[in-house]
Amino acid sequence: QSALTQPASVSGSPGQSITISCTGTSSDVGGYNYVSWYQQHPGKAPKLMIYEVSNRPSGVPDRFSGSKSGNTASLTISGLQAEDEADYYCSSYTSSSTSVVFGGGTKLTVL
Amino acid sequence: QITLKESGPTLVKPTQTLTLTCTFSGFSLSTSGVGVGWIRQPPGKALEWLALIYWNDDKRYSPSLKSRLTITKDTSKNQVVLTMTNMDPVDTATYYCARITVTRAVDYWGQGTLVTVSS
Repeated sequence: QSALTQPASVSGSPGQSITISCTGTSSDVGGYNYVSWYQQHPGKAPKLMIYEVSNRPSGVPDRFSGSKSGNTASLTISGLQAEDEADYYCSSYTSSSTSVVFGGGTKLTVL
Repeated sequence: QITLKESGPTLVKPTQTLTLTCTFSGFSLSTSGVGVGWIRQPPGKALEWLALIYWNDDKRYSPSLKSRLTITKDTSKNQVVLTMTNMDPVDTATYYCARITVTRAVDYWGQGTLVTVSS
């Protein structure tokens, strides 16, 4: 199974909005509403930010939102803050192995 | 409070078998819908899914590593064990254990343990 495709890097200024894409196939992203997004700061374990495409766990700011169209899922962060600078990973259920596939990760830089 | 912690060797030699134990608290692996999985991350690289096991003993493995992996659970001890055979330097990574939902979301992560493969 191939990894989901994410841009290597994105950047934005404080207060702006950015969107990170995650492209898969009909066997994963496009076929199921089981896309998750994770935030990872250097040296730390990842943190769940979005599950089932657009749901936020308790405690995650509503500045973070998720969506999906066809085989591409997206994470949008509005009102960028310095502490949002981190690596972001998407993942999805995949029917090809009835398991999980991750994206290659996106480094977010807050200018 | 849900916590997970990985334990095992920090250094293994090539061709050896790695055994990692995940000890968790705050939930039970006998509860319907609950799973525990393993994910690794080579230094400076992306996350990679390895294996997961659910409350009903349903097991799933990464297709590319399936022949080398075995995942088991001991519900009474709140532990999940991952074994990986024939270790190679490319397997050097931080290994995370984590709680998994039925929709494959990882809602709680361990702190991770760095395993180095070197002679």
